[in-house]
Amino acid sequence: EVQMVESGGGSVQPGGSLRLSCAASGFTFRSSWMDWVRQAPGKGLEWVANIKYDGSEKYYVDSVKGRFIISRDNAENSLYLQMNSLRAEDTAVYYCSWSLNSWGHGTLVTVSS
Amino acid sequence: DIQMTQSPSSLSASVGDRVTITCRANQGISNHLSWFQQKPGKAPKSLIYGASNLQSGVPSKFSGSGSGTDFTLTISNLQPEDFATYYCLQYKSYPRTFGQGTKVEI
Repeated sequence: EVQMVESGGGSVQPGGSLRLSCAASGFTFRSSWMDWVRQAPGKGLEWVANIKYDGSEKYYVDSVKGRFIISRDNAENSLYLQMNSLRAEDTAVYYCSWSLNSWGHGTLVTVSS
Repeated sequence: DIQMTQSPSSLSASVGDRVTITCRANQGISNHLSWFQQKPGKAPKSLIYGASNLQSGVPSKFSGSGSGTDFTLTISNLQPEDFATYYCLQYKSYPRTFGQGTKVEI
């Protein structure tokens, strides 16, 4: 069974940092592109970033470029999102996704003073 | 960035109805389009990829069509479990962009 389990969400003050993790199983992680997608409370879906199976290519939405870093550890079947200089508008549920086909349950990030 | 415009933003329907949701891209995306269903408090679920290909396990009541800039998602014989919000997504170029969503309500 394909499964992604996100962790690392929580409350942080503006300007702070958080690192999200996603533990993947049930598919060949090391051969798969992986994505992060977020959803602000009561809003639609926003694609955040993705990473090639070997980590050699990474893409970001403009609003997080220079602040967020996507990475992966294929030995651990894990995906990460390092979020720095957090803003109130980054408040959202963050979903880990296997090539936008299967999704985790999400982890909530709240940025507030 | 490619903009995806869904219509309508919401619709009211009844059990047994057939509904159609439209997604329009502001530039050609070939068939690089997916559709997702999302229920309140749940993660999105992939329904269709490549504009018209059903994901494994998705019932055939869902169908997609289109190419270029105009796409449709059709749901036949609407059932209570189909009441949800539906999103399109283009994956022709970066950044990937979603439509704003269509809420299907009773």
